[in-house]
Amino acid sequence: KQEVTQIPAALSVPEGENLVLNCSFTDSAIYNLQWFRQDPGKGLTSLLLIQSSQREQTSGRLNASLDKSSGRSTLYIAASQPGDSATYLCAVHSQNFVFGPGTRLSVLP
Amino acid sequence: NAGVMQNPRHLVRRRGQEARLRCSPMKGHSHVYWYRQLPEEGLKFMVYLQKENIIDESGMPKERFSAEFPKEGPSILRIQQVVRGDSAAYFCASSPGGSGLTEAFFGQGTRLTVV
Repeated sequence: KQEVTQIPAALSVPEGENLVLNCSFTDSAIYNLQWFRQDPGKGLTSLLLIQSSQREQTSGRLNASLDKSSGRSTLYIAASQPGDSATYLCAVHSQNFVFGPGTRLSVLP
Repeated sequence: NAGVMQNPRHLVRRRGQEARLRCSPMKGHSHVYWYRQLPEEGLKFMVYLQKENIIDESGMPKERFSAEFPKEGPSILRIQQVVRGDSAAYFCASSPGGSGLTEAFFGQGTRLTVV
């Protein structure tokens, strides 16, 4: 059974810092991995999709890497801004999408 | 493309009533997933459907919950005889196919409150 964990559970940083969010999964037999953002009381916004054959994906200030053999993915956010404050979720696609519990990020002005 | 549409956005039901949650996938998508998010918790998988077929319902409670995705119309998640513990946000996602190379797109969710 696929299990996904994320660390840290919460993170508070001053504006402008670069930061790394971590995601780990137990079964490396995955199709792809997605990173999402969720604002309080809102739905999920897809940030990045990494296929199992890929090592990383970039979109603007976001960079996600995938090491399938070790069951790890990281989301790197450069030059963080207060608007980045949200919960970040990683989801591993096997038969269905299995979500981690999320990292709650707060970027202070 | 209007994206994944869920309605209603908010639903209030009294204990014992039925709740029907609807999900219209993105145009061209034939795969639908339902998830439940309890307050301050992560998203838990409930069911995966293709048109007219349930592919995986391993996350569905055995009683009171059912889901369908008919040939025409939206996918429906039905909760019979709701209890307070059913209060949660219910999200659906759609994808074009089950090949695994595809991205999932989520709706804004339906927030169910049982009073």
